[in-house]
Amino acid sequence: DAGVIQSPRHEVTEMGQEVTLRCKPISGHNSLFWYRQTMMRGLELLIYFNNNVPIDDSGMPEDRFSAKMPNASFSTLKIQPSEPRDSAVYFCASSSSRGLAGRSTDTQYFGPGTRLTVL
Amino acid sequence: GQQVMQIPQYQHVQEGEDFTTYCNSSTTLSNIQWYKQRPGGHPVFLIQLVKSGEVKKQKRLTFQFGEAKKNSSLHITATQTTDVGTYFCAGVDNAGNMLTFGGGTRLMVKP
Repeated sequence: DAGVIQSPRHEVTEMGQEVTLRCKPISGHNSLFWYRQTMMRGLELLIYFNNNVPIDDSGMPEDRFSAKMPNASFSTLKIQPSEPRDSAVYFCASSSSRGLAGRSTDTQYFGPGTRLTVL
Repeated sequence: GQQVMQIPQYQHVQEGEDFTTYCNSSTTLSNIQWYKQRPGGHPVFLIQLVKSGEVKKQKRLTFQFGEAKKNSSLHITATQTTDVGTYFCAGVDNAGNMLTFGGGTRLMVKP
């Protein structure tokens, strides 16, 4: 079985450019998470979807960040315009939701991540 | 909201020494999970603990869930260079809220 798939694996862009990160969750999983990891801040949850609906986006840093999940097998995280402080590794993870009100409490399976560098 | 804290943040050990990382929650947990992230890799699930006082072993790794279900520990006996990485705990509180990750403990092993 394929795990969580992310693309691209590496992205180098210039400040001000739009960046789109892509994720394909594990088939059958109904929860999807976007995380950002940096040395300074560690692993931060940005947004969480359950059954393609955004449940909690309180971790999204600002309006420059947006995420969509048009169907159960695809999600995007967009940064527009990008800034150097957005440089980080962005992980997508998926799981099966069994918690209350769609809260995902099960094991999370992480993708390989996208290493973003904004110059 | 629920908070999960891990200590220490970093640990350097000599190969062959033991290592322990501790995880503490601000609320009682229904279960706790441990993940390992190798340098340059992504977090990978190791184990889940559910019962009060539960102890599980995976070769040289011993995982323990506290009696009050508010803390947990991961102990590695006789570390090897392959143990290098960041170890995260992640907990679910009794209200069924979402899995919350701790800040991780980065383990470095000197050969």
